[in-house]
Amino acid sequence: GENVEQHPSTLSVQEGDSAVIKCTYSDSASNYFPWYKQELGKRPQLIIDIRSNVGEKKDQRIAVTLNKTAKHFSLHITETQPEDSAVYFCAASTSGGSYIPTFGRGTSLIVHP
Amino acid sequence: DGGITQSPKYLFRKEGQNVTLSCEQNLNHDAMYWYRQDPGQGLRLIYYSQIVNDFQKGDIAEGYSVSREKKESFPLTVTSAQKNPTAFYLCASSIKRKGNEQFFGPGTRLTVL
Repeated sequence: GENVEQHPSTLSVQEGDSAVIKCTYSDSASNYFPWYKQELGKRPQLIIDIRSNVGEKKDQRIAVTLNKTAKHFSLHITETQPEDSAVYFCAASTSGGSYIPTFGRGTSLIVHP
Repeated sequence: DGGITQSPKYLFRKEGQNVTLSCEQNLNHDAMYWYRQDPGQGLRLIYYSQIVNDFQKGDIAEGYSVSREKKESFPLTVTSAQKNPTAFYLCASSIKRKGNEQFFGPGTRLTVL
């Protein structure tokens, strides 16, 4: 089955700095890679996703990059703000079908004012 | 945030008791999932269902049971056989034609006294 490794487990930055979270996956059949943000005590919510037919996707201050050859993908947050503080989860799955997404263990991002 | 609900928000149980967590969605999603979340463990899949009257075990199904009698509902029972049930439980749903983006409920925090 799929195995997703996520690093680092904790990331502390100063407001305005950039933050990068990295994930690797094992199954070459995976072709859908979402990122979820979970604020303290709340539900995870999708913030950005990427499919295997593209290498990069941006949405304002967040971007995701995908390297299918190396089987890794990364979340980039620029100009971090205190409200970016949360736990971020990556996941890998196939698009459609009955394949179940596999989640990384999460990264706790702390943005210091 | 609407569309998928969980109840109760907090639940206390004595050892040896079974307890059922509710999950309802009005998103017309085919698939529903139950995850357990512990600190540093990420999201671990307990059970999932792709269609009414059918469900499959996830990675940590022991001590849990589910049913899927209606498309909208996917209750989870935590039985007395679950050795360490204190955790945050998340229900999710998805449709296949948008990839496997998952929509999460607000969660139930179960504490065994």
